[in-house]
Amino acid sequence: AQSVSQHNHHVILSEAASLELGCNYSYGGTVNLFWYVQYPGQHLQLLLKYFSGDPLVKGIKGFEAEFIKSKFSFNLRKPSVQWSDTAEYFCAVTSVAGGTSYGKLTFGQGTILTVHP
Amino acid sequence: DAGITQSPRHKVTETGTPVTLRCHQTENHRYMYWYRQDPGHGLRLIHYSYGVKDTDKGEVSDGYSVSRSKTEDFLLTLESATSSQTSVYFCATAGTDTYEQYFGPGTRLTVT
Repeated sequence: AQSVSQHNHHVILSEAASLELGCNYSYGGTVNLFWYVQYPGQHLQLLLKYFSGDPLVKGIKGFEAEFIKSKFSFNLRKPSVQWSDTAEYFCAVTSVAGGTSYGKLTFGQGTILTVHP
Repeated sequence: DAGITQSPRHKVTETGTPVTLRCHQTENHRYMYWYRQDPGHGLRLIHYSYGVKDTDKGEVSDGYSVSRSKTEDFLLTLESATSSQTSVYFCATAGTDTYEQYFGPGTRLTVT
């Protein structure tokens, strides 16, 4: 079974600081990777996704993530965070296994990001 | 956002009572999912559907059942609610590209 691990439970930064949130997954086959964000009191929204091709993917609001296959990692980055980035961030993976995965997502535990003005 | 609504949005119920949560979508998406969100666990898949009347178990299906009698509705039933089922429940849908899921607003369920 696949699993996803997010390294940090709670990250606290000041505005303009750089952000990197770690995500590692365990699955030997082909995967699709996602980062979702959940702002306080809201539902999950897709930040970015990786299916194939360029391992550096750009998402909304200035976020990007790099897929490193050899390290089974998909870390999320942002050069300069804003107070409005305060939210919980989830890494998720789905296996691409002959069309039978039905898109089922396995989520990491989540990382709460708090940005101080 | 995909047109996904969940009802009720909040519910308090007593241990041992049955509870049904509803997910309704207007996107004609084939795939629908129920997750529960608990602190420290992220989201965990309860059940999913890959078509009308086609459902299967997810990671944490014990104590839950689902039904999908039409494309737009996916019902989650807690057969006999327990305190361990206190959680926030999210419905999600996905179209023919099954890898991008859209989430509903969630239902906060408290079992006392």
